[in-house]
Amino acid sequence: ELKVEQNPLFLSMQEGKNYTIYCNYSTTSDRLYWYRQDPGKSLESLFVLLSNGAVKQEGRLMASLDTKARLSTLHITAAVHDLSATYFCAVDTSGTYKYIFGTGTRLKVLA
Amino acid sequence: DTEVTQTPKHLVMGMTNKKSLKCEQHMGHRAMYWYKQKAKKPPELMFVYSYEKLSINESVPSRFSPECPNSSLLNLHLHALQPEDSALYLCASSQDPVQVTPLSYEQYFGPGTRLTVT
Repeated sequence: ELKVEQNPLFLSMQEGKNYTIYCNYSTTSDRLYWYRQDPGKSLESLFVLLSNGAVKQEGRLMASLDTKARLSTLHITAAVHDLSATYFCAVDTSGTYKYIFGTGTRLKVLA
Repeated sequence: DTEVTQTPKHLVMGMTNKKSLKCEQHMGHRAMYWYKQKAKKPPELMFVYSYEKLSINESVPSRFSPECPNSSLLNLHLHALQPEDSALYLCASSQDPVQVTPLSYEQYFGPGTRLTVT
């Protein structure tokens, strides 16, 4: 059974600081997705990572994928308050329709 | 157009009511999904339709009844719900991951329907 774990579950950080969220998954998959969710809102797609070594950056966020280690990271650079949200990674089971979501990381950036 | 729309945004219903949630996409996606999300939890997959046929039912109680009238529309019919069914219901769509390359398999989520069962 594919399991996806994120850590930390909660993250409180000061503006201007850097931090990394980790997403580990249990079985082979080449495709990993990062989503952002604001309270009471839907999921917003951030990154689609489709191969080993993939790295994507958007603003202060950078995501990477290491399929051999079954690990993805979401790195936050010089955090700002607007990044406060819950971040989910999701892995799909190859050839099926199922996303397996991680537990989510609730990020709070303090001014 | 990369938008998935859902109606209504909010719904309050009694345990004896019958209501429906609606979802629509015009991206030409052939896979559509219903998820349920409780507060502070990740979304849970309920149903998947592929080419307007039910592909996955994640052992969802029969008080939830999905319907896919055409390739752009997805409904979720609700009947005799319980208070514990109160949640955010999300619709999503994607290219068919079985038929196309991985480059196209990204799920696009609608804004959700906040359901409260009283």
